[in-house]
Amino acid sequence: DGGITQSPKYLFRKEGQNVTLSCEQNLNHDAMYWYRQDPGQGLRLIYYSQIVNDFQKGDIAEGYSVSREKKESFPLTVTSAQKNPTAFYLCASSVRGQGQEQYFGPGTRLTVT
Amino acid sequence: EDQVTQSPEALRLQEGESSSLNCSYTVSGLRGLFWYRQDPGKGPEFLFTLYSAGEEKEKERLKATLTKKESFLHITAPKPEDSATYLCAVQAFQGGSEKLVFGKGTKLTVNP
Repeated sequence: DGGITQSPKYLFRKEGQNVTLSCEQNLNHDAMYWYRQDPGQGLRLIYYSQIVNDFQKGDIAEGYSVSREKKESFPLTVTSAQKNPTAFYLCASSVRGQGQEQYFGPGTRLTVT
Repeated sequence: EDQVTQSPEALRLQEGESSSLNCSYTVSGLRGLFWYRQDPGKGPEFLFTLYSAGEEKEKERLKATLTKKESFLHITAPKPEDSATYLCAVQAFQGGSEKLVFGKGTKLTVNP
């Protein structure tokens, strides 16, 4: 079955540690996205990539980094510079172009203490 | 600035009691309006895409409509399994790329 996988589902880290969240898709989509979801707020875009080896900052990129070495994979690193990292992180992918819907993975809940 | 506002924030219905959720938007040049369903602790599930005013799409008990300023998600004779948060998003052209701008969602609870 085609889809998007994110791992792990739950992640716990100590403050000051970097952590990498995995996102893999087998939908053959060129574009991939990372969002953050907090209670009472809409999804906020962290980073996105329209094509391999290229990515752009979204609205809240500070304290995060990404790479796009393969079409299928778009890992997100939450660095120690992110001031409030505890959140639900969602990865999505889409066909490139105007008016294309995004398909989401199951999410990773990150808790930093 | 592109914005999406959903109302109400929360809605409680009895099973079989039809209602509508609202999504109002301001965007320079609508490229698409999307509805998603999100269950607790899970990723959003794509429901519909609407592109132009007057367009309608249906899926089971759900019907989405679009005007120049807002979209409605009509729920006919809802069942408890329709309980979820419904998200609306519009596609905007920002910074040289297409991006989705999301509303905060409407949490729907359908009681048996």
